Amino acid sequence: DVKVTQSSRYLVKRTGEKVFLECVQDMDHENMFWYRQDPGLGLRLIYFSYDVKMKEKGDIPEGYSVSREKKERFSLILESASTNQTSMYLCASSSIPGQKGYTFGSGTRLTVV
Amino acid sequence: SQELEQSPQSLIVQEGKNLTINCTSSKTLYGLYWYKQKYGEGLIFLMMLQKGGEEKSHEKITAKLDEKKQQSSLHITASQPSHAGIYLCGADGSGNTGKLIFGQGTTLQVKP
Repeated sequence: DVKVTQSSRYLVKRTGEKVFLECVQDMDHENMFWYRQDPGLGLRLIYFSYDVKMKEKGDIPEGYSVSREKKERFSLILESASTNQTSMYLCASSSIPGQKGYTFGSGTRLTVV
Repeated sequence: SQELEQSPQSLIVQEGKNLTINCTSSKTLYGLYWYKQKYGEGLIFLMMLQKGGEEKSHEKITAKLDEKKQQSSLHITASQPSHAGIYLCGADGSGNTGKLIFGQGTTLQVKP
């Protein structure tokens, strides 16, 4: 089975800190995605990547950046964390679109204080 | 842009009862995915539907896509406490790009 591993389940950071959320997948998937999930708003796409060193903005990229230096790893960076970035962050990967959708990681619940 | 609307937003049922969750799209669906999420965890893939009129089943869960490919339903027969969680529908918003958009989710509680 495909595994998508997010490095932390829970994180607490201070306002203004630079935060790194790491995601690693083990099935050689080309596509990787970062979502945030908030009550009443569902999942919203932040950034995605179809290949190494390639990135595209999703629906809510403001305040975030990403890095994909290796195929298996996709990092989400909060340059200067703010309280409105407190959320559940979900990483996902996929190979061929239209097959099984995405495989998701277990999520990182980030609290910014 | 395409939007997915789920109903109901939340549901409480007695164990053993049947239930249905609906997902309606503002545009034609190229692929419709159903996921389940336990509180605080990631999403687990349930089923994918692509063809109008298609129906798939897995254990006690059946998903259907209507002929016009704009609405899908997820039906659970004889619900159990293990069915509790958040159910989300997802669709490829741009047609086979692999970039899924999601409905807001339906929270299901099953009372023993």
